[in-house]
Amino acid sequence: AQKVTQAQTEISVVEKEDVTLDCVYETRDTTYYLFWYKQPPSGELVFLIRRNSFDEQNEISGRYSWNFQKSTSSFNFTITASQVVDSAVYFCALTSPDSNYQLIWGAGTKLIIKP
Amino acid sequence: NAGVTQTPKFRVLKTGQSMTLLCAQDMNHEYMYWYRQDPGMGLRLIHYSVGEGTTAKGEVPDGYNVSRLKKQNFLLGLESAAPSQTSVYFCASRESSGNTIYFGEGSWLTVV
Repeated sequence: AQKVTQAQTEISVVEKEDVTLDCVYETRDTTYYLFWYKQPPSGELVFLIRRNSFDEQNEISGRYSWNFQKSTSSFNFTITASQVVDSAVYFCALTSPDSNYQLIWGAGTKLIIKP
Repeated sequence: NAGVTQTPKFRVLKTGQSMTLLCAQDMNHEYMYWYRQDPGMGLRLIHYSVGEGTTAKGEVPDGYNVSRLKKQNFLLGLESAAPSQTSVYFCASRESSGNTIYFGEGSWLTVV
C-alpha cells in the first residue's frame, strides 16, 4: 500500500529563518510522482512542484528547494529566509500509474512564520 | 483562466437536507475528482471519474453520489446531509496523459 507521512504537524519559526518540511513516502511502484502543494489561509490548494521517481536531481526555485532521496524515501522541502507570506499548510502527495494516478496525501504540516 | 471552478463556495445545511456541489473545468481534462478535507487528516478521495459518463468510488464514498453527464462538469450530491459531512470539499481535474492534478478553490460546507 502507498503511504505519505508528514511527521511535523506544526512548525513555527521567526521570519528570515530557514525551515525544512519533511515528507517520507512508501510505495512498491517503480514509477511514481511526488508533489508538494501549499494551502494558504485563504484555503485554495496551490501546486508547487512535481518530481519523477527516476529523477533525483534536487530542485531550487527562488527561496524554495526540494531534496529527493530515493534511498531514504524522502522528499523534503526547504524554505530559505522564510517570510510571513509563507505561512500556510503544506501537503506532500504521491501518485503512480499503477494506482490510476490517485493522489495519496500526507496529513499536512502547518507552517507559521512569525514577524 | 478559469481552470477548476466550484460552486457554491460556502453553504450551511440542516441535517437531512440535500444539496449538490458543482465542479466545472475548462481544460478539457478527462479525469475529475472530489476530495474532502478534515483537520489533521489531509485530503481524502470521495469519488472520481475517468471520463464522461463514468464514475468510481474513492476512499470515503458513503453518503455521497456523483454524476459526470458532461465532460467539463462533475457533480457531488448529498442526499441527506449529516453533521459528519461538515468539511471542506475540493474538486480537481487532470488530463489523461498527465499526472499533475489541478484543484478548485474549495467549498466550505457546514451541516447543523
